[in-house]
Amino acid sequence: EAGVAQSPRYKIIEKRQSVAFWCNPISGHATLYWYQQILGQGPKLLIQFQNNGVVDDSQLPKDRFSAERLKGVDSTLKIQPAKLEDSAVYLCASSLDRQGGTDTQYFGPGTRLTVL
Amino acid sequence: AQSVAQPEDQVNVAEGNPLTVKCTYSVSGNPYLFWYVQYPNRGLQFLLKYITGDNLVKGSYGFEAEFNKSQTSFHLKKPSALVSDSALYFCAVRDTTSGTYKYIFGTGTRLKVLA
Repeated sequence: EAGVAQSPRYKIIEKRQSVAFWCNPISGHATLYWYQQILGQGPKLLIQFQNNGVVDDSQLPKDRFSAERLKGVDSTLKIQPAKLEDSAVYLCASSLDRQGGTDTQYFGPGTRLTVL
Repeated sequence: AQSVAQPEDQVNVAEGNPLTVKCTYSVSGNPYLFWYVQYPNRGLQFLLKYITGDNLVKGSYGFEAEFNKSQTSFHLKKPSALVSDSALYFCAVRDTTSGTYKYIFGTGTRLKVLA
């Protein structure tokens, strides 16, 4: 079974530029998550989708970050414009979530963003 | 609010010795607890989880964790550490109260196994 796919793996941009990350979850997984992981810290949830609906985006900086999952499968996270403090690894994860929250979340390899 | 705490930033252990990485939790209701490992430049890999049942949970790579309800702990253990176990370990709890079932991660513990 294929895992969670993410691209690109690395991205370097200047501040105030825009950037987009792509994620393809494990086939059949209903829930998709985007996390931001600052070096040396734990992952921070940015947004959680259930199929193509947003379940939680309370920590997403909506003035510059946006995300979509139009067909309930793959997803795109965008930053526009980027700031220096956005330098981090952006992790995508997915889980089956048939019911009750007992299913495991699986992570992709992440995209390392450097903002200069 | 649901939360997990990993009290140690770093744990050092000699190869071949037993290792323990600590995690305590604070939840209302039954806890769904997870351990993940992260190697450099990689995403998080699932090790094991506790949902219900036996308090001793066995997972990948020889790791196990013991759920202790009275101490609200879920410590990760391995009988004999390998140098290749050196990595960053995260404990997580799943929020079952808000309806979102989002994961809440600890701050991580860096495990260093010395040859």
